[in-house]
Amino acid sequence: DIQMTQSPSSLSASVGDRVTITCRASQDIATWLTWFQQKPGKAPKSLIYAASTLQSGVPSRFSGSGSGTDFTLTITSLQPDDFATYYCQQYTSYPLTFGGGTEVEIK
Amino acid sequence: QVQLVESGGGVVQPGRSLRLSCAASGFAFSSYTMHWVRQAPGKGLEWMAVISYDLTTKYYADSVRGRFTISRDNSRSTLYLQMNSPRAEDTAIYYCARAGSIHHNYLDPWGQGILVTVSS
Repeated sequence: DIQMTQSPSSLSASVGDRVTITCRASQDIATWLTWFQQKPGKAPKSLIYAASTLQSGVPSRFSGSGSGTDFTLTITSLQPDDFATYYCQQYTSYPLTFGGGTEVEIK
Repeated sequence: QVQLVESGGGVVQPGRSLRLSCAASGFAFSSYTMHWVRQAPGKGLEWMAVISYDLTTKYYADSVRGRFTISRDNSRSTLYLQMNSPRAEDTAIYYCARAGSIHHNYLDPWGQGILVTVSS
């Protein structure tokens, strides 16, 4: 199975901050990576797929990059609506596997 | 609009059975691969199972293989998860999710989730 390691597991940030979350795969997954946002009591929402393709309707302050084993989700100017937990997930092979999540909290 | 609605959750005793359903609408259900994912209380996401659009391919997580069965009825646009011999550790919110496209197997969209509690 491909292991996905996210860091940090949590972070505190202020509105307007630039936030970076990293995700590392235990083997090469090319760009078969997606990022989700999840708010308490809600289903995950897809933000980015193919490592860097923004889903329709997702604000442009979100961006993704990387290939192979190292990936990054960046929020350029954190907004109040962005405080949530973020997950990466590989979809190159089964079982699909998720990172452990990064909780973005208000400083 | 695309919608996935889970049902059938609740409290089930260990060793009994439960069947979850996921009703799809707003898209050509018979053309898409479908997944089940779960989330234990306060924990992260765990992928459970997948079924191809034409029912020919199924994969399971090791944690449920041999106990849970994924199936679908394309004529009813409905996905199922048959949970046999559930254990306390199967307590979770269960989500159905569609593959994002025929070329990309990321998960989008997701249903709202349904809680399953395994308890005597």
